[in-house]
Amino acid sequence: DTAVSQTPKYLVTQMGNDKSIKCEQNLGHDTMYWYKQDSKKFLKIMFSYNNKELIINETVPNRFSPKSPDKAHLNLHINSLELGDSAVYFCASSQVSGRRNSNTEAFFGQGTRLTVV
Amino acid sequence: AQSVTQPDIHITVSEGASLELRCNYSYGATPYLFWYVQSPGQGLQLLLKYFSGDTLVQGIKGFEAEFKRSQSSFNLRKPSVHWSDAAEYFCAVVSNTGGFKTIFGAGTRLFVKA
Repeated sequence: DTAVSQTPKYLVTQMGNDKSIKCEQNLGHDTMYWYKQDSKKFLKIMFSYNNKELIINETVPNRFSPKSPDKAHLNLHINSLELGDSAVYFCASSQVSGRRNSNTEAFFGQGTRLTVV
Repeated sequence: AQSVTQPDIHITVSEGASLELRCNYSYGATPYLFWYVQSPGQGLQLLLKYFSGDTLVQGIKGFEAEFKRSQSSFNLRKPSVHWSDAAEYFCAVVSNTGGFKTIFGAGTRLFVKA
């Protein structure tokens, strides 16, 4: 049973195209995230949703639009793809409500390697 | 603002030797601290975490880390490194400023030589 699963694992596309990455978690967590890992391996948060509500939007271009149909899913849609969007995108989830216990870590998906050509 | 610093971009150790990866954090209150490992082409796996109590925490794969408040550090250690430990290691802190999120250090790449 995969806790956080994202599809596709690899995505190669041309500049200007629109693409989506899907993410699902079966951990019952109330918060989901998208992170971007650049070529230097630096991980930076892009968005977080808590119970389908947008909580964090870290100055990401509005070409990136997350959508959370329910608290188990957080999809990432990217319009008009640019070369600089090439990166690995990680979905993650955690339980935020009722924390101040040990179960506060984020669980990550395997990543989606996006290559824009 | 909360931040995490990993001063070493990469470290090379011989197989069987001991390992210490450094991590310093900046956080006003008692932090939640984590170490994650990322093998090539893989996602992030949690090695261990600290949120309160005993300052020496044990993790998976024989790793441990010690929280030192006076030094704002959370260094990762392993007494004897195996070739399979070669990977990227990330120290992280959970922040609740502007929304609950995990903030990562820049990572330390571990190379293991035979």
